[in-house]
Amino acid sequence: DTGVSQDPRHKITKRGQNVTFRCDPISEHNRLYWYRQTLGQGPEFLTYFQNEAQLEKSRLLSDRFSAERPKGSFSTLEIQRTEQGDSAMYLCASSAGRTSGPGNTIYFGEGSWLTVV
Amino acid sequence: AQSVTQLGSHVSVSEGALVLLRCNYSSSVPPYLFWYVQYPNQGLQLLLKYTTGATLVKGINGFEAEFKKSETSFHLTKPSAHMSDAAEYFCAVSDINFGNEKLTFGTGTRLTIIP
Repeated sequence: DTGVSQDPRHKITKRGQNVTFRCDPISEHNRLYWYRQTLGQGPEFLTYFQNEAQLEKSRLLSDRFSAERPKGSFSTLEIQRTEQGDSAMYLCASSAGRTSGPGNTIYFGEGSWLTVV
Repeated sequence: AQSVTQLGSHVSVSEGALVLLRCNYSSSVPPYLFWYVQYPNQGLQLLLKYTTGATLVKGINGFEAEFKKSETSFHLTKPSAHMSDAAEYFCAVSDINFGNEKLTFGTGTRLTIIP
């Protein structure tokens, strides 16, 4: 396994601009998650995909945020009209989902840092 | 809703001393519990997890945790701290909805090792 990879690792953008992050999960992992982590806090769940289907979205995910996983492989997270409050690390994670129910190990990427100035 | 409380946002221990990081959970159903470690500017790495079975769980890097239902706790321990253990540690509980391993994290404990 090459691990979960995220790109870019760091992004500085001006307020009002759009940004897009990409996540490549571990090969053959059918579940993909996005989390957001701000300084001094634990990661917070944003959204979840099973293959290409987006099955759950947190209320934290405002209408400026959109996530896709078009072919059930890589995923993108786009933030439109960025605000300073969007500054955070965006973590992608994946799991194999081979067993039913929870408890499967979730593997995290190294995150994409977003700074909105 | 499930939740996790980590007592102590900062813990300092001397190198070679016992490490104890506290985690209490709230759940209306049997929980699945996890400890993750995060090194500076990196993602999260799984240390260990409890799903079912043995309540004492051993993980990587010499860490272990014990699930105590009566105390709703899942504290993380390591007998002898090493300088490389300095990091942020997160306790998490899994959403038990079928097919969704969504994790709810605590606010984290920053572990500092004193030489």
